[in-house]
Amino acid sequence: GAVVSQHPSRVICKSGTSVKIECRSLDFQATTMFWYRQFPKKSLMLMATSNEGSKATYEQGVEKDKFLINHASLTLSTLTVTSAHPEDSSFYICSARDTKVGTSGRARETQYFGPGTRLLVL
Amino acid sequence: AQSVTQLGSHVSVSEGALVLLRCNYSSSVPPYLFWYVQYPNQGLQLLLKYTTGATLVKGINGFEAEFKKSETSFHLTKPSAHMSDAAEYFCAVSDWNSNYQLIWGAGTKLIIKP
Repeated sequence: GAVVSQHPSRVICKSGTSVKIECRSLDFQATTMFWYRQFPKKSLMLMATSNEGSKATYEQGVEKDKFLINHASLTLSTLTVTSAHPEDSSFYICSARDTKVGTSGRARETQYFGPGTRLLVL
Repeated sequence: AQSVTQLGSHVSVSEGALVLLRCNYSSSVPPYLFWYVQYPNQGLQLLLKYTTGATLVKGINGFEAEFKKSETSFHLTKPSAHMSDAAEYFCAVSDWNSNYQLIWGAGTKLIIKP
């Protein structure tokens, strides 16, 4: 199946610094990627939808200036946590949407998830 | 609006017993339905999905799920639990109304007793 990678897998940083997380679709092109945050013992929270070549669409309550998203190519989206604070510590997961047209001509979409990045802000 | 309900935040079964994880959804148009698994300290992995066609879907690791439109359900089952199945399982739904963005259930942690 399709593969999505994330880098780094783990990062520890000091409070006030910025951290960039990369999400790559390795064997397909993804015009749309999604960034999620997972809090301990809770489900995923969609942070934003990243669209190649245009601005990301942020969910309500997510600070655009704090969580910068760039989707510069069809295989790469980046999430930058700016001026990180301890409360930003979390598991960040990206997904990429793969669209295939079946024999019936109908488009089928599947999301493939990256392995996640664990961020710890000290 | 779409929503997904997973009944039971924790489910505990004995090794070798039947696994049943429940998922009910609401969607006004034909949905795509998914089950994902997350092992400790790992990212999500697709177990199986339903888009069209056969309502009984087989996935990896011996899991299967059946789409029942009349019950708006997509329960996940496995005949015989293994210790390695201990993980958190997420049900999700998407449809064209939401531009195929996934709507997630809260997750169910599966505990396997020896």
